[in-house]
Parts: sequence; C-alpha cells; structure tokens
Amino acid sequence: LAKTTQPISMDSYEGQEVNITCSHNNIATNDYITWYQQFPSQGPRFIIQGYKTKVTNEVASLFIPADRKSSTLSLPRVSLSDTAVYYCLVGPTYSSASKIIFGSGTRLSIRP
Amino acid sequence: DTAVSQTPKYLVTQMGNDKSIKCEQNLGHDTMYWYKQDSKKFLKIMFSYNNKELIINETVPNRFSPKSPDKAHLNLHINSLELGDSAVYFCASSPWDMNTEAFFGQGTRLTVV
Repeated sequence: LAKTTQPISMDSYEGQEVNITCSHNNIATNDYITWYQQFPSQGPRFIIQGYKTKVTNEVASLFIPADRKSSTLSLPRVSLSDTAVYYCLVGPTYSSASKIIFGSGTRLSIRP
Repeated sequence: DTAVSQTPKYLVTQMGNDKSIKCEQNLGHDTMYWYKQDSKKFLKIMFSYNNKELIINETVPNRFSPKSPDKAHLNLHINSLELGDSAVYFCASSPWDMNTEAFFGQGTRLTVV
C-alpha cells in the first residue's frame, strides 16, 4: 500500500478556501485516492475519492495531477465546523485483503 | 437511521476483566472492520471480516477475539484487559467492491483502570 505524507496541521479563517496536499510517490496503477474527515469524538467520515484529474461533490473538490504522485483536497469557504482531522488514503478500491490504512492526518483548525 | 452502531459508547473497567463491544450495520455491506485509536489519535486497523470470515488480523494480541454471527454484526471481545488497551475502538463497514468508502460507528471509549 502506498504511503502518504500530509502536513501535520493547518490553520485558516472562516470564509477562506483551504487546500490540503497529500504526497503519495509510490501510488500504484490501480490505487485510488480517498479522503476522510474526523471530528472530535466521532468516527471518520468519507469525504471524496478520485483516480485522476478533478472530482467535485457537495463537500469538497479533489485535484489529482497527471502523474498522480500527489493530490489536493480543496474545501471552499470553510466554517468553524470544518475544524477536524483530514486523512488522505491511497489504495485499491477492491482487494481480497480489504483494509483501509490511515496515516497521521492533517489537523485543520478554523478560526473566526 | 444509524448506519453503523456500536454499544456501549463508554466503557470503564478494571484490569483483568473481560468485556465485549457490539457492532451492527444496516447498510447491507459485506465487509466489517475494527479499528483502534490511541491517545495519540493514530487509527490502526485490527480486524477485517468479509461475509463473516476473518480476512485480516493485524498482529493483535489473542486476548482480542472478534466474532461475526452474521454479515451485519461484528462484535469484539477482549479478555484480561490491560491498561494499554485503553483507547477508542471504532467499528466500520464497507461494500466489498468499494472497500475504501467505509462507514464508521461513533466509537467506544474504553478506559481500563
């Protein structure tokens, strides 16, 4: 499974756009990039997943360059409620040895 | 409707005791997991079950024994609890063909005193 590297923490202000970048130099051909969000005292929550280029949903956008060695999670116009830990994961969507490996995550703090 | 539910939410017990945490999912998923999140907030997979069969056991002490009576349930039984077992335990489930899109329960905070 490809290892991921992301910033330990980030700070931003309400109304700003926040971009969290994840490096995954050893990504394999059949690997997808998935992001999760975890609020204090809650379980992680799936945010978005992509394979290449750009994916957008009602929560976030995911930008993946052509070489796929990194990806950027973009949160538009953040609010205080976006304060959470964000995890970047890389792996196949289906594997006979199914497991989801979490890294250390990025602790995002949003200030008023 | 709660998709993945765990009970209890909090569990305080003494060293040496045996305890169980229950997990149920109503999403019709084939795969279920147990994760442990320690005080440093690292999330580590412990077990993975697919259709009631153990797929992954991540070198967890054999004091931990998962049991899956059916596809919708994956319970975790812990024998002879130790101080180091104190953590938050999360149950999760996912479809077999989209294992990266998992749904997590609210967690069980286990404190061993």
